[in-house]
Amino acid sequence: DQQVKQNSPSLSVQEGRISILNCDYTNSMFDYFLWYKKYPAEGPTFLISISSIKDKNEDGRFTVFLNKSAKHLSLHIVPSQPGDSAVYFCAASDFNKFYFGSGTKLNVKP
Amino acid sequence: KAGVTQTPRYLIKTRGQQVTLSCSPISGHRSVSWYQQTPGQGLQFLFEYFSETQRNKGNFPGRFSGRQFSNSRSEMNVSTLELGDSALYLCASSLDPHRAANTEAFFGQGTRLTVV
Repeated sequence: DQQVKQNSPSLSVQEGRISILNCDYTNSMFDYFLWYKKYPAEGPTFLISISSIKDKNEDGRFTVFLNKSAKHLSLHIVPSQPGDSAVYFCAASDFNKFYFGSGTKLNVKP
Repeated sequence: KAGVTQTPRYLIKTRGQQVTLSCSPISGHRSVSWYQQTPGQGLQFLFEYFSETQRNKGNFPGRFSGRQFSNSRSEMNVSTLELGDSALYLCASSLDPHRAANTEAFFGQGTRLTVV
C-alpha cells in the first residue's frame, strides 16, 4: 500500500535547465512533506520541506510546490547542475511517521 | 554536532544466520526509525522507537525486530536471514515527530547487508 508515489524512476536534464520531480500521495491527513537527496553509498540528506498549510516553499535553487486538491507535490531545481545528479525521494508525514516514495534518479548532463 | 552513525557499514551473512545492526542517533534526538531500501522499492518503513518503546511498525515479518536503549541508541535484529533480506538498511533520527510535527528525519549512511 504505497501512500506516496513517484511515478518517474528517472529523469534526464541538460545543465542550466529546470528539473521538475513529481510526487503523488493518497492520504489527505499528511501534514508535512519533504524531499531528500541520496548519493550512492550514502544515506539520504534532507533538502527542503513544506507544511500542508502552504503551497510553495523556496530555498535557493530549490522550490517545492504543493497542490493539496490534486494531492501532488513537485520539486523544481533551477538551474540544474551536474552535482544535482542523485536519487530524489519525496516523503510525507502524518505527524508520527514518514512515508517515502520509491525515488527518481535525476541525471543532469553537462 | 555528530550525525547519525550506523555500524557496521557493510555486512555479509549466509542464509539462516541472524544479524544485528546498530544506530546512534543525533544527540538529543529521541525518535529512531529504521528503513529498508531495495532497488525500485524506495524506503520501506520497518519500525520507529521513541523512549525505548516501539511506537510504529511497518509491514515486515516478525523476523525483523528492534529495540532502543535509554541513551536512544537503537539496534535492529534480523533472524533466519533470507536472500531477499539483502538491502541497504537505513536508520533515521528526529527530535520527536509527535511533539514537533515538522521535524525532519536525519539519516545515517546505512548498513549494506548482503545475504549469500
